[in-house]
Amino acid sequence: EAGVTQSPRYAVLQEGQAVSFWCDPISGHDTLYWYQQPRDQGPQLLVYFRDEAVIDNSQLPSDRFSAVRPKGTNSTLKIQSAKQGDTATYLCASSSGTTNTEVFFGKGTRLTVV
Amino acid sequence: GQQVKQSSPSLTVQEGGISILNCDYENDMFDYFAWYKKYPDNSPTLLISVRSNVDKREDGRLTVFLNKSGKHFSLHITASQPEDTAVYLCAAGSNTGYQNFYFGKGTSLTVIP
Repeated sequence: EAGVTQSPRYAVLQEGQAVSFWCDPISGHDTLYWYQQPRDQGPQLLVYFRDEAVIDNSQLPSDRFSAVRPKGTNSTLKIQSAKQGDTATYLCASSSGTTNTEVFFGKGTRLTVV
Repeated sequence: GQQVKQSSPSLTVQEGGISILNCDYENDMFDYFAWYKKYPDNSPTLLISVRSNVDKREDGRLTVFLNKSGKHFSLHITASQPEDTAVYLCAAGSNTGYQNFYFGKGTSLTVIP
């Protein structure tokens, strides 16, 4: 079974630039999460979806961050006008929400904003 | 506010000793509790999880204790080994309709040979 796939693995931006991260969850998993993990900290939930619907995006900085999952499968997280404080690893994860089983993580995208 | 909290950012234990990692949570609707292990430059991987209908679960050297009234759970690692050195993340969530899942900031465990 393929795991959660994310791309790119690394990104380096200057402040003010935009970037998009892509995630392909495990097939059949209806719940998809995006987490931000600053260095030496735990993952902090940004947004999660059940199928194509946003369930909770209260922690997503709405002025510069956006996330979509239009067909309930792959998802894209976009940062407009990146700031140095956005430097972190962005983790995508998925689970089968109906059975509340393990949350599986992708390898993440490490973003550095200079 | 932070839904899940790990009050100790770091812990050092002698090889062979017991490592005890603690986690507190805010939402008494949470019914699923887990510990993840994270090595540098790797994504978190699940170690052990427990549902709210039990207060203890053992798996080899790992034991999770759940105290629902205190909104607290812990991970005990017996016979700690240097290869246990890593960051340990606790997580809690709910499956009431829609699943949400929140992590603590992590405890960095160092096991000294």
